[in-house]
Amino acid sequence: DQQVKQNSPSLSVQEGRISILNCDYTNSMFDYFLWYKKYPAEGPTFLISISSIKDKNEDGRFTVFLNKSAKHLSLHIVPSQPGDSAVYFCAASLVNSNSGYALNFGKGTSLLVTP
Amino acid sequence: DTGVSQNPRHKITKRGQNVTFRCDPISEHNRLYWYRQTLGQGPEFLTYFQNEAQLEKSRLLSDRFSAERPKGSFSTLEIQRTEQGDSAMYLCASSLIPGQGARSQPQHFGDGTRLSIL
Repeated sequence: DQQVKQNSPSLSVQEGRISILNCDYTNSMFDYFLWYKKYPAEGPTFLISISSIKDKNEDGRFTVFLNKSAKHLSLHIVPSQPGDSAVYFCAASLVNSNSGYALNFGKGTSLLVTP
Repeated sequence: DTGVSQNPRHKITKRGQNVTFRCDPISEHNRLYWYRQTLGQGPEFLTYFQNEAQLEKSRLLSDRFSAERPKGSFSTLEIQRTEQGDSAMYLCASSLIPGQGARSQPQHFGDGTRLSIL
């Protein structure tokens, strides 16, 4: 039962343009959301997170938007750089949970930024 | 600043053998998590520790799997009588316990141990 869904397996964007990666979730109890970037043969690297009490969080070129009513979040990368080419995973967790905030991941979106 | 360290990076073994993986978390992190990732999927939660206590196991963690964190520092994950379906990347992550005013803390991952069952 996939509770976090990334419906676009891949995305190609030109260098300097905006990359928008989307994520939907089904469990309305999720209240902490994260984005990770993964290069081949490496573990996921934490990028940015957002709590359900906010609708936007920004860190440099990365901005995450949360729409709780639509159960949707997105990651914006502006401007995109070739080094951003990687697989991006969306993840969600329950803050008040016996599972200590175990993360539920989507299947990932492979981003390619072309020069 | 050392991150999460996992050993070995790769393990190839024959079906039916036992294997053990080690994870060294970021030193001040109280929580340690194990995940499994197969091709084309995101990581799936297996189990987590707070200090030395194993507080949650997912249904994915069959009785052939056992994890320990004896002194609240490093952790080991053992798989007994390995099967073909155990082939995957095993990821370890660690995090702080949220302090006052912080509702949650991100998990930081190691580079994983890739297990291949022949």
